[in-house]
Amino acid sequence: EVQLVESGGGLVQPGGSLRLSCADSGFTFSNYWMHWVRQAPGRGLEWVSRINNDGSGASYADSVKGRFTISRDNAKNTLYLQMNSLRAEDTAVYYCVRDPSGFDFSWFDLWGRGTLVTVSS
Amino acid sequence: SYELTQPPSVSVSPGQTAWITCSGHTLPKQYAHWYQQKPGQAPVLVIYKDSERPSGIPERFSGSSSGTTVTLTISGVQAEDEADYFCQSTDSSGNYHVFGTGTKVTVL
Repeated sequence: EVQLVESGGGLVQPGGSLRLSCADSGFTFSNYWMHWVRQAPGRGLEWVSRINNDGSGASYADSVKGRFTISRDNAKNTLYLQMNSLRAEDTAVYYCVRDPSGFDFSWFDLWGRGTLVTVSS
Repeated sequence: SYELTQPPSVSVSPGQTAWITCSGHTLPKQYAHWYQQKPGQAPVLVIYKDSERPSGIPERFSGSSSGTTVTLTISGVQAEDEADYFCQSTDSSGNYHVFGTGTKVTVL
């Protein structure tokens, strides 16, 4: 079955760090650009970060630039998001998503179920 | 920052047609894509590259583009189509991706 499974979410204090992981199955992970998208409780979707298929390029939303780092290990079929200096406004469900475009007009054809990150003291 | 604007809500009777618009100044030059999200679930892609429909998505979902506005059309709406719908596109640099504000579709 083709799927993405996120892990690593939880409760963290403001200023703390967390690393999210996303494991894929059922497709050739190294062929795809990958992204993280988040959704605060009761709110809309917010794009967070993108990495190209070989890990040589990445981009970030202004709201997380300098605090979050996206990476991937194609040998382990795993996507990561290292989140530092976390703030209350980072509280959200974080989705790992697959991008089949291979270009900058990305779209997201496969979503994980998400992992909840709560930043609170 | 770049924004995509959608109406907050659309109400439609079963069997009728729902139109959901999304407006943004780069849409004449960048593709738009649409997602359906039901409560407690992850979003699902329903339209990509303005008007392409992924396999498995019913034919009643279609997309179109005109100038700075793209439109998702649901023809012959069914009760199961009640959900939030989000458009998504890319800014002019190609480096940043943005979602629309979201539209809640209510089937009366």
